[in-house]
Amino acid sequence: AQSVTQLGSHVSVSEGALVLLRCNYSSSVPPYLFWYVQYPNQGLQLLLKYTSAATLVKGINGFEAEFKKSETSFHLTKPSAHMSDAAEYFCAVSGNNQGGKLIFGQGTELSVKP
Amino acid sequence: DSGVTQTPKHLITATGQRVTLRCSPRSGDLSVYWYQQSLDQGLQFLIQYYNGEERAKGNILERFSAQQFPDLHSELNLSSLELGDSALYFCASSVWDSGNTEAFFGQGTRLTVV
Repeated sequence: AQSVTQLGSHVSVSEGALVLLRCNYSSSVPPYLFWYVQYPNQGLQLLLKYTSAATLVKGINGFEAEFKKSETSFHLTKPSAHMSDAAEYFCAVSGNNQGGKLIFGQGTELSVKP
Repeated sequence: DSGVTQTPKHLITATGQRVTLRCSPRSGDLSVYWYQQSLDQGLQFLIQYYNGEERAKGNILERFSAQQFPDLHSELNLSSLELGDSALYFCASSVWDSGNTEAFFGQGTRLTVV
């Protein structure tokens, strides 16, 4: 079985500060891991994905995430927050022979203060 | 624009009624997924079709059913609606049905049951 835990349902940072959104996963098979972003009244957009190549994955909008098998983590970071980063972020896990379905975490709402 | 089209965008209906949500996947995508997003349950996988065949089933109620047609569009049918079925229903599509394939999400159908 697979599951995802996102620590912190709400994170608030100042503009220009480091963004760190935490994600831990559980998977009985080698995982594929994803971060999606959801802006208000919109669908989900892929930020980045880990598919067993490089453990440090770079995504869109300056985000990156590092896969750490020993810690079963896939935390999302961005060095400097921008007001436009305010949104809800979802970590998700999939795996081979899972058909491509995604198991999502509960989401983390990111607020950016001016 | 993800290329995935969902109609209608909003739907208000009464308890006990039946509704049909429609999804047109991105051109060339064979796999269609349905997800439900609600405040208490978060984002939950409902069901997946791949090239017309059911591929995987998640937490889908027996009152709900789906199908994928020869032109690859999909419909999610919700019947005997209850207040608790009020949620945002997302459709996503991907080229294949493997775990490392990126899924593209539509903007969702917001269902309100009154």
